[in-house]
Amino acid sequence: GDSVTQMEGPVTLSEEAFLTINCTYTATGYPSLFWYVQYPGEGLQLLLKATKADDKGSNKGFEATYRKETTSFHLEKGSVQVSDSAVYFCALNAGGTSYGKLTFGQGTILTVHP
Amino acid sequence: DAGITQSPRHKVTETGTPVTLRCHQTENHRYMYWYRQDPGHGLRLIHYSYGVKDTDKGEVSDGYSVSRSKTEDFLLTLESATSSQTSVYFCAIREIMENNSPLHFGNGTRLTVT
Repeated sequence: GDSVTQMEGPVTLSEEAFLTINCTYTATGYPSLFWYVQYPGEGLQLLLKATKADDKGSNKGFEATYRKETTSFHLEKGSVQVSDSAVYFCALNAGGTSYGKLTFGQGTILTVHP
Repeated sequence: DAGITQSPRHKVTETGTPVTLRCHQTENHRYMYWYRQDPGHGLRLIHYSYGVKDTDKGEVSDGYSVSRSKTEDFLLTLESATSSQTSVYFCAIREIMENNSPLHFGNGTRLTVT
Protein backbone atom coordinates (compact mmCIF):
# COMPACT_ATOMS: atom_id res chain seq x y z
CA GLY A 1 0.00 0.00 0.00
CA ASP A 2 0.89 3.67 -0.04
CA SER A 3 3.31 4.92 2.60
CA VAL A 4 5.35 7.97 3.57
CA THR A 5 8.61 7.91 5.52
CA GLN A 6 10.08 11.00 7.17
CA MET A 7 13.44 11.48 8.76
CA GLU A 8 13.59 10.77 12.45
CA GLY A 9 13.39 13.74 14.75
CA PRO A 10 13.47 15.80 16.72
CA VAL A 11 15.51 18.35 14.82
CA THR A 12 17.10 21.20 16.76
CA LEU A 13 18.62 24.18 14.97
CA SER A 14 19.87 27.65 15.72
CA GLU A 15 18.12 30.61 14.17
CA GLU A 16 19.21 31.31 10.57
CA ALA A 17 20.44 27.75 10.06
CA PHE A 18 19.56 25.75 6.93
CA LEU A 19 16.77 23.21 7.29
CA THR A 20 16.21 19.92 5.47
CA ILE A 21 13.57 17.40 6.45
CA ASN A 22 13.69 14.28 4.32
CA CYS A 23 10.56 12.62 3.00
CA THR A 24 10.30 9.57 0.75
CA TYR A 25 7.19 7.81 -0.42
CA THR A 26 5.85 4.59 -1.88
CA ALA A 27 2.79 4.78 -4.08
CA THR A 28 1.32 3.31 -7.21
CA GLY A 29 0.34 5.67 -9.94
CA TYR A 30 0.97 9.40 -9.73
CA PRO A 31 0.40 10.77 -6.26
CA SER A 32 0.18 14.39 -5.19
CA LEU A 33 2.51 15.37 -2.37
CA PHE A 34 2.03 17.79 0.51
CA TRP A 35 3.79 19.28 3.50
CA TYR A 36 1.68 20.24 6.50
CA VAL A 37 2.77 22.14 9.61
CA GLN A 38 1.27 21.86 13.09
CA TYR A 39 1.88 24.54 15.70
CA PRO A 40 1.34 23.68 19.38
CA GLY A 41 -2.30 23.14 20.27
CA GLU A 42 -3.51 23.60 16.72
CA GLY A 43 -4.62 21.54 13.78
CA LEU A 44 -2.57 20.92 10.66
CA GLN A 45 -2.11 23.69 8.12
CA LEU A 46 -1.12 23.15 4.52
CA LEU A 47 2.39 24.49 3.96
CA LEU A 48 2.95 23.59 0.31
CA LYS A 49 2.09 21.01 -2.33
CA ALA A 50 3.20 19.55 -5.65
CA THR A 51 0.99 17.58 -7.98
CA LYS A 52 3.36 16.17 -10.59
CA ALA A 53 6.97 15.19 -11.10
CA ASP A 54 9.51 18.06 -11.03
CA ASP A 55 6.96 20.50 -9.59
CA LYS A 56 8.33 22.72 -6.85
CA GLY A 57 6.03 23.79 -4.07
CA SER A 58 6.95 26.87 -2.05
CA ASN A 59 5.51 28.98 0.74
CA LYS A 60 6.85 31.20 3.54
CA GLY A 61 10.46 30.51 2.49
CA PHE A 62 9.97 26.73 2.51
CA GLU A 63 10.45 24.70 -0.66
CA ALA A 64 10.08 21.09 -1.76
CA THR A 65 10.56 19.47 -5.18
CA TYR A 66 8.67 16.38 -6.34
CA ARG A 67 11.37 13.92 -7.43
CA LYS A 68 9.80 10.89 -9.05
CA GLU A 69 13.13 9.21 -9.82
CA THR A 70 14.04 9.13 -6.11
CA THR A 71 10.42 9.07 -4.82
CA SER A 72 11.25 12.01 -2.57
CA PHE A 73 9.79 15.34 -1.50
CA HIS A 74 12.32 16.87 0.89
CA LEU A 75 11.43 20.07 2.72
CA GLU A 76 14.03 22.87 2.81
CA LYS A 77 14.37 26.37 4.15
CA GLY A 78 17.45 28.53 3.83
CA SER A 79 17.21 30.38 7.13
CA VAL A 80 14.91 29.19 9.89
CA GLN A 81 13.34 31.38 12.55
CA VAL A 82 12.20 30.64 16.08
CA SER A 83 8.62 30.93 14.82
CA ASP A 84 9.21 27.93 12.53
CA SER A 85 9.30 25.64 15.58
CA ALA A 86 6.51 23.14 14.94
CA VAL A 87 5.78 19.60 13.81
CA TYR A 88 6.07 18.99 10.07
CA PHE A 89 4.22 16.24 8.22
CA CYS A 90 4.78 14.92 4.74
CA ALA A 91 1.71 13.40 3.09
CA LEU A 92 0.52 11.94 -0.18
CA ASN A 93 -2.76 11.68 -2.03
CA ALA A 94 -2.71 8.61 -4.22
CA GLY A 95 -5.22 10.07 -6.67
CA GLY A 96 -7.50 7.93 -8.75
CA THR A 97 -10.37 6.55 -6.67
CA SER A 98 -8.76 7.39 -3.33
CA TYR A 99 -11.52 9.89 -2.43
CA GLY A 100 -8.89 12.47 -1.57
CA LYS A 101 -7.56 10.52 1.39
CA LEU A 102 -4.14 11.52 2.66
CA THR A 103 -1.44 9.14 3.88
CA PHE A 104 0.91 10.80 6.37
CA GLY A 105 4.46 10.34 7.52
CA GLN A 106 5.15 10.12 11.23
CA GLY A 107 5.97 13.80 11.62
CA THR A 108 9.20 15.61 12.45
CA ILE A 109 9.48 17.93 15.44
CA LEU A 110 11.52 21.05 14.69
CA THR A 111 12.83 23.29 17.46
CA VAL A 112 14.66 26.49 16.58
CA HIS A 113 16.67 28.27 19.27
CA PRO A 114 17.53 32.00 19.21
CA ASP B 1 -10.68 29.70 7.63
CA ALA B 2 -12.28 26.47 6.41
CA GLY B 3 -15.15 26.73 8.92
CA ILE B 4 -14.53 23.46 10.81
CA THR B 5 -15.55 23.14 14.44
CA GLN B 6 -14.77 20.10 16.53
CA SER B 7 -16.46 19.40 19.84
CA PRO B 8 -15.62 18.83 22.55
CA ARG B 9 -12.03 20.09 22.46
CA HIS B 10 -11.06 17.96 25.45
CA LYS B 11 -12.68 14.93 27.02
CA VAL B 12 -11.77 12.48 29.72
CA THR B 13 -13.80 9.29 29.90
CA GLU B 14 -13.65 5.88 31.51
CA THR B 15 -12.94 2.58 29.83
CA GLY B 16 -16.09 0.96 28.51
CA THR B 17 -18.16 4.12 28.12
CA PRO B 18 -19.47 5.32 24.76
CA VAL B 19 -18.09 8.58 23.39
CA THR B 20 -19.20 10.70 20.44
CA LEU B 21 -17.08 13.38 18.85
CA ARG B 22 -18.61 15.94 16.54
CA CYS B 23 -17.26 17.68 13.49
CA HIS B 24 -19.27 20.56 12.06
CA GLN B 25 -18.53 22.44 8.86
CA THR B 26 -20.17 25.59 7.61
CA GLU B 27 -19.19 25.34 3.95
CA ASN B 28 -21.33 22.47 2.62
CA HIS B 29 -18.37 20.41 1.43
CA ARG B 30 -18.97 16.86 0.35
CA TYR B 31 -15.89 15.04 1.67
CA MET B 32 -15.10 14.73 5.38
CA TYR B 33 -12.52 12.66 7.26
CA TRP B 34 -11.63 11.54 10.76
CA TYR B 35 -7.97 11.01 11.67
CA ARG B 36 -6.22 10.16 14.91
CA GLN B 37 -2.78 11.48 15.80
CA ASP B 38 -0.38 9.47 17.92
CA PRO B 39 3.35 9.96 18.55
CA GLY B 40 5.45 8.03 16.07
CA HIS B 41 2.48 7.31 13.81
CA GLY B 42 1.64 10.68 12.34
CA LEU B 43 -2.02 10.85 11.40
CA ARG B 44 -3.97 7.74 10.53
CA LEU B 45 -7.34 7.65 8.81
CA ILE B 46 -10.22 6.21 10.82
CA HIS B 47 -13.25 6.77 8.58
CA TYR B 48 -14.25 9.10 5.81
CA SER B 49 -17.43 10.27 4.11
CA TYR B 50 -18.12 11.22 0.52
CA GLY B 51 -21.70 12.36 1.03
CA VAL B 52 -24.72 12.15 3.30
CA LYS B 53 -25.01 8.56 4.54
CA ASP B 54 -22.00 7.57 2.41
CA THR B 55 -19.09 6.49 4.59
CA ASP B 56 -16.21 4.05 4.42
CA LYS B 57 -13.45 2.67 6.63
CA GLY B 58 -9.91 3.88 6.86
CA GLU B 59 -6.83 2.02 8.04
CA VAL B 60 -7.64 2.09 11.80
CA SER B 61 -11.43 1.77 11.91
CA ASP B 62 -11.76 -1.05 14.47
CA GLY B 63 -13.69 0.16 17.53
CA TYR B 64 -15.07 3.23 15.75
CA SER B 65 -18.25 4.02 13.88
CA VAL B 66 -19.37 7.15 12.07
CA SER B 67 -22.55 8.76 10.90
CA ARG B 68 -23.36 11.55 8.50
CA SER B 69 -27.07 12.33 8.46
CA LYS B 70 -26.57 15.84 7.07
CA THR B 71 -23.86 17.49 5.04
CA GLU B 72 -22.52 19.72 7.78
CA ASP B 73 -22.03 17.14 10.55
CA PHE B 74 -19.78 14.09 10.72
CA LEU B 75 -19.92 12.17 14.00
CA LEU B 76 -17.31 9.74 15.29
CA THR B 77 -18.44 7.25 17.95
CA LEU B 78 -16.38 5.02 20.17
CA GLU B 79 -18.91 2.40 21.17
CA SER B 80 -16.94 1.23 24.21
CA ALA B 81 -13.83 3.31 24.80
CA THR B 82 -10.50 1.62 25.51
CA SER B 83 -7.21 3.06 26.72
CA SER B 84 -5.69 2.46 23.28
CA GLN B 85 -8.13 5.05 21.92
CA THR B 86 -6.52 7.80 23.98
CA SER B 87 -5.41 10.13 21.23
CA VAL B 88 -5.94 13.45 19.51
CA TYR B 89 -8.69 13.26 16.91
CA PHE B 90 -8.79 15.53 13.89
CA CYS B 91 -11.59 16.14 11.47
CA ALA B 92 -10.79 17.32 7.96
CA ILE B 93 -12.69 18.45 4.90
CA ARG B 94 -11.79 18.68 1.25
CA GLU B 95 -12.86 22.03 -0.13
CA ILE B 96 -12.19 21.48 -3.81
CA MET B 97 -13.46 18.57 -5.85
CA GLU B 98 -10.15 18.00 -7.65
CA ASN B 99 -8.70 14.73 -6.52
CA ASN B 100 -5.30 16.23 -5.69
CA SER B 101 -6.65 19.07 -3.59
CA PRO B 102 -5.43 19.40 0.01
CA LEU B 103 -7.42 18.70 3.15
CA HIS B 104 -8.23 21.35 5.75
CA PHE B 105 -8.19 20.35 9.38
CA GLY B 106 -10.05 21.31 12.52
CA ASN B 107 -8.23 22.08 15.77
CA GLY B 108 -8.67 18.61 17.19
CA THR B 109 -10.24 16.85 20.16
CA ARG B 110 -7.95 15.49 22.85
CA LEU B 111 -9.52 12.32 24.26
CA THR B 112 -8.20 10.56 27.34
CA VAL B 113 -9.59 7.14 28.29
CA THR B 114 -8.78 6.19 31.88
